[in-house]
Order: sequence, then C-alpha cells, then structure tokens
Amino acid sequence: IVLTQSPGTLSLSPGEEATLSCRASESVSSTYLAWYQQKPGQAPRLLIHGASTRANGIPDRFRGSGSGTDYTLSISGLEPEDFAVYYCQQYGGSPLFSFGPGTKVDLK
Amino acid sequence: QVQLQQSGPGLVKPSQTLSLTCVISGDSVSSDSASWNWIRQSPSGGLEWLGRTYFRSEWSTDYAESVKSRITITPDTSKNQFSLHLNSVTPEDTAVYYCARFYLTYLGGSFDPWGQGTRVTVS
Repeated sequence: IVLTQSPGTLSLSPGEEATLSCRASESVSSTYLAWYQQKPGQAPRLLIHGASTRANGIPDRFRGSGSGTDYTLSISGLEPEDFAVYYCQQYGGSPLFSFGPGTKVDLK
Repeated sequence: QVQLQQSGPGLVKPSQTLSLTCVISGDSVSSDSASWNWIRQSPSGGLEWLGRTYFRSEWSTDYAESVKSRITITPDTSKNQFSLHLNSVTPEDTAVYYCARFYLTYLGGSFDPWGQGTRVTVS
C-alpha cells in the first residue's frame, strides 16, 4: 500500500487551521492508520492512532478523521510548536508497515 | 512509562555489518501485545520500516523485502532488549535508524514510543 500525502508543504500563520491529507492506494483499516509529528533532530512522535484517537497528552486542536483510502489530519488554531513535518502510517497491507512522504507545515 | 534507549556505532565501513541495540524499560520484549521494530529515515526524510520481532507463544520476525536478504532482528530476554544487524552495507544504508514499539489496543495500533535515533553513516 502506497500512502500519498498532500500538500507537500503548507505555509500558514499561527492561529490558522491546517488540513493535511493522506491517501492510500488501497483501502486501509482505520484501526491501523496513525499520524506522527516530527521536529528537526527529534524522533517522530505519535499524535493520532486508530485514525481519530488522540494519543496521550496530545491537545484537542489535533483532529484525525477518515476511512477507507482517504484520511485527514486537522490542526485548528496553529501554535508555534505545531510547525513541523507530519507523517501518516498504515499497518497491515503490503508492505506490512508504510509511511507517507510527509507534509511540512511551515511558517508563512 | 515505556522508554527505548538505542546504542551502536555511527560509522560503518562499506560491506561490513551495521549493528544497533535498543534497550526497553517499562515494558517487556516478550509482551504479547507489542512488536519491536526498526525503522530508518533517509537523508531525504522518508521513513522506511525495516523489520520487527515479537513473541506470541513463540518468537517471530518479519522483514521488509528491500532488506530481507541482509537483515536480522533478535530479541534478548535476559537484557530486555532487541538488536538490528544489517550486513553488506553500502552508502545507500546511510540513515538515521530508530527502534520503536508497535503497540496494539482495541483503539488501534501505532509506533509508540520511539528510540532517540542513531545517525549511521556508511563510509
């Protein structure tokens, strides 16, 4: 399963809303669709699992949705610490695990 | 709180074996609801899953096709850790390598937590 993320880069200002898309080449079980945030020099950090469940400690401005082949990560009211790269990831297809290429949210 | 601590060399010569270890605290490598994974991130930024080991009444491994002929992931229950061995490395294996737990709950499965990453250069 190939995951495609769009846009590649999203240039926004603090306070704005970000909408990130992840599209799969085949249907993915929503149970096994996750989103991660990565900042420079750091390991990826889990944000959302099961397509829509926030991980422990993740603020409610992060919202995941979707099913089948189309998934979305929304970030309402961007905070300065939200400017980062975001990856979607699936489990259960072929290959067993795959990641999207990432969407960079940067400062406009 | 589960934590993963990686160790291993940052420089490996071509044709040699890359070996990294990930020590687990707060969970067990023998957990029946987790698998223990290695993931790498190329200099261009892409994340690639390499393989996993897990215990479900017996030990099992799965490997990515791209490295299947060169990779071994082994658990060590006495030290509660797992290791990556990637042989016959080339400069294309230069990347940041991460260990990560894949944890399954009724809400879903995801990689959490991740190790701190080891930057490995093949040169």
